[in-house]
Amino acid sequence: GEEVAQTPKHLVRGEGQKAKLYCAPIKGHSYVFWYQQVLKNEFKFLISFQNENVFDETGMPKERFSAKCLPNSPCSLEIQATKLEDSAVYFCASSQGYEAFFGQGTRLTVV
Amino acid sequence: SQQGEEDPQALSIQEGENATMNCSYKTSINNLQWYRQNSGRGLVHLILIRSNEREKHSGRLRVTLDTSKKSSSLLITASRAADTASYFCATDRGNQFYFGTGTSLTVIP
Repeated sequence: GEEVAQTPKHLVRGEGQKAKLYCAPIKGHSYVFWYQQVLKNEFKFLISFQNENVFDETGMPKERFSAKCLPNSPCSLEIQATKLEDSAVYFCASSQGYEAFFGQGTRLTVV
Repeated sequence: SQQGEEDPQALSIQEGENATMNCSYKTSINNLQWYRQNSGRGLVHLILIRSNEREKHSGRLRVTLDTSKKSSSLLITASRAADTASYFCATDRGNQFYFGTGTSLTVIP
């Protein structure tokens, strides 16, 4: 497709539950990025992929967060045992080198 | 941190006026990009300027880049109420994008 599709748009989880977010990058883009936006300003980098390989995961809280980009499947970001502080909007972006195209985000609310 | 800083944090202007926002970053870059985020929405790409360029125009947007000062500015001319949004600069280095903290622009009709 010609846009990055993120699902679901909204997700509510009780503290301690698992959350799984999906991202379909633009067809032909090799790079996928995940960002977390808490409040309205700061974008925190989580992880990037080059095709199905992890490219940079320096931003990932590894004890509870995991991500995959498998061939012929949407990419996913999974949070085990969610905490209140995980409440944020999670954005996925794809790129073929320079410009990054962003999805509309998934708003995760942990209650 | 390689994250950029933007100023002002918030800007309020009358419709028709020009809006200027600035971005500073910390490390060498390949490109610098500006994005707009409307409330509750994703980021929309506005313009990209490469590290060997000094100025770029796109419609009512003008971007400058000074790599010696590690700074960039975004000028929106003849602002409209629809320009009300948050604006972020993003630098890329090693295929990770680093975002500034954003400028919240309000254009008053």
